Amino acid sequence: EDQVTQSPEALRLQEGESSSLNCSYTVSGLRGLFWYRQDPGKGPEFLFTLYSAGEEKEKERLKATLTKKESFLHITAPKPEDSATYLCAVSGGSNYKLTFGKGTLLTVNP
Amino acid sequence: NAGVMQNPRHLVRRRGQEARLRCSPMKGHSHVYWYRQLPEEGLKFMVYLQKENIIDESGMPKERFSAEFPKEGPSILRIQQVVRGDSAAYFCASSPPGSRDTEAFFGQGTRLTVV
Repeated sequence: EDQVTQSPEALRLQEGESSSLNCSYTVSGLRGLFWYRQDPGKGPEFLFTLYSAGEEKEKERLKATLTKKESFLHITAPKPEDSATYLCAVSGGSNYKLTFGKGTLLTVNP
Repeated sequence: NAGVMQNPRHLVRRRGQEARLRCSPMKGHSHVYWYRQLPEEGLKFMVYLQKENIIDESGMPKERFSAEFPKEGPSILRIQQVVRGDSAAYFCASSPPGSRDTEAFFGQGTRLTVV
């Protein structure tokens, strides 16, 4: 069974203070690892898909990286508007379904 | 290009009533997925549908829950005889045919409250 563990559960940063969120996973035959952002009362907003170890993707202040066991979401010089819950998910084998972690609640203080 | 549309956004039902949740996928998308998010828990897969076909319903409870995606119209998630434990946020996602893996785009969700 696919499993995803995200850490930390919650993270408070000062504006401009860079940090990383971790996503550890176990999956049989990784098809893709996905990062989403979710604001309170909203649906998950797609950020990145990573397909193979060593792959990296960037979008504004966010950069996602992937190894064979984990993924990191690096946040450089965050702003208060980056405050949200960040979700990691995997799909593996012949499954099309996503297995999600519980998320990391990021709060960026001005 | 409108995103994934779900309605209603909020739904209140009494125990024993039926709940119908609707999902219109993004234009050009023919794959629909339903997920449930319980308080303090992650999103859990329920069912994967293509037009007129249920592909994978391994995450859906065997009783009281059903889903369809007809040739015309939105996908429907139906919960019969709701109980308090069904209170959750239900999210629909869609992806285009032939998309690599599951780059799914989510709707805003329907928040079901059973009283």
